[in-house]
Amino acid sequence: EIVMTQSPATLSVSPGERATLSCRASETVSANLAWYQQRPGQAPRLLIYGASTRATGIPARFSGSGSATEFTLTISSLQSEDFAVYYCQQYDNWPEYTFGQGTKLEIK
Amino acid sequence: EVQLVESGGGLIQPGGSLRLSCAASGFTATRNYMTWVRLAPGRGLEWVASLYVDDTSYYTASVKGRFTISRDTAKNTVYLQMNSLRLEDTALYYCARELDGSLIDWGQGTLVTVAS
Repeated sequence: EIVMTQSPATLSVSPGERATLSCRASETVSANLAWYQQRPGQAPRLLIYGASTRATGIPARFSGSGSATEFTLTISSLQSEDFAVYYCQQYDNWPEYTFGQGTKLEIK
Repeated sequence: EVQLVESGGGLIQPGGSLRLSCAASGFTATRNYMTWVRLAPGRGLEWVASLYVDDTSYYTASVKGRFTISRDTAKNTVYLQMNSLRLEDTALYYCARELDGSLIDWGQGTLVTVAS
């Protein structure tokens, strides 16, 4: 099983500032990495796939980067609706997908 | 508009069975890869099972032999039959449509609580 480790567990950032979330894979997943956002009481929403491609309708302030085992999700200027939990997911080891444990992005 | 609506969750005793349903609209479930994912308290998201267009199914190790994913073409609905439920199966279960490995559409989830 490929283990996905996200850091930090909680990130406190002020609105308007930049947030950087990290995700590490226990072995290479190439660029087969997705990011999801989950707001309280809502279903997860796909933000990024292929490590760096924004999903349909996702604002340009969200960007993904990285490959192999190290990945980053950057939110350039935080809006109030961006405070949520973020998960990374690898789909290289098809079909045994695994998720990170999540990073909670909270208002500072 | 794509929509996924889960139902069938509830409170069940250990060893019991439940069948979850995922009604799809806005697309044809039989022409898509469909997946169940669960969110357990303090444990993050976990892939549970997937059903592919050729009817091949895959399961995470902890549910293999106990859970079965299937679909009804006429109803455009995907199911998750869960037998021999354990305390650790307690979670919010989501149905999702998969495209090339990423989960592009999600339902709102149905809660399964296994408790005596």
